[in-house]
Amino acid sequence: TQLLEQSPQFLSIQEGENLTVYCNSSSVFSSLQWYRQEPGEGPVLLVTVVTGGEVKKLKRLTFQFGDARKDSSLHITAAQPGDTGLYLCAGGSSASKIIFGSGTRLSIRP
Amino acid sequence: NAGVTQTPKFRILKIGQSMTLQCTQDMNHNYMYWYRQDPGMGLKLIYYSVGAGITDKGEVPNGYNVSRSTTEDFPLRLELAAPSQTSVYFCASRGAMNTGELFFGEGSRLTVL
Repeated sequence: TQLLEQSPQFLSIQEGENLTVYCNSSSVFSSLQWYRQEPGEGPVLLVTVVTGGEVKKLKRLTFQFGDARKDSSLHITAAQPGDTGLYLCAGGSSASKIIFGSGTRLSIRP
Repeated sequence: NAGVTQTPKFRILKIGQSMTLQCTQDMNHNYMYWYRQDPGMGLKLIYYSVGAGITDKGEVPNGYNVSRSTTEDFPLRLELAAPSQTSVYFCASRGAMNTGELFFGEGSRLTVL
């Protein structure tokens, strides 16, 4: 059974601080995606990583896919209140079945 | 530019009642998914489909049924509603690419009393 575990579950930090969110599995994923969800809305894609060891940057967000394609991390530099939200990793070992992690709820205090 | 459309947005059911959540996409996507999200949690996969006539179970399929008679539509049926099915339900679709983005509907908030 595939599982995606995210940590931490909750994170509350001061504006300007850095943070890292982790997504781990015992299974190999063909690709892994990170989504962000606002209250009352569906998740919206931030990035897709495919190759083991891949690093992608999206402004202040840096995403990394583990060498073995079993884990990923999201690092935010100089967090801002606008980064507040629920961050979700998602992946599949096949092209069709996509599962989500348990989510990390991030709160940035001004 | 509709994307993924879910109806209804809100529904209250009594225990034992049945209902169907509708999902339609106009992007000609092959893959469609139903997820449920409990408060403060991630999304759990209920059922998914890789094309018309083909469906498969996800992580939490018990108590639900689906069908995929057309590319556009992927309805989710609850036969005997239970309080444990109180949740927000999201339908999503994506194209044939292995790394394609999931496009989500706005969600359907279901309460079973």
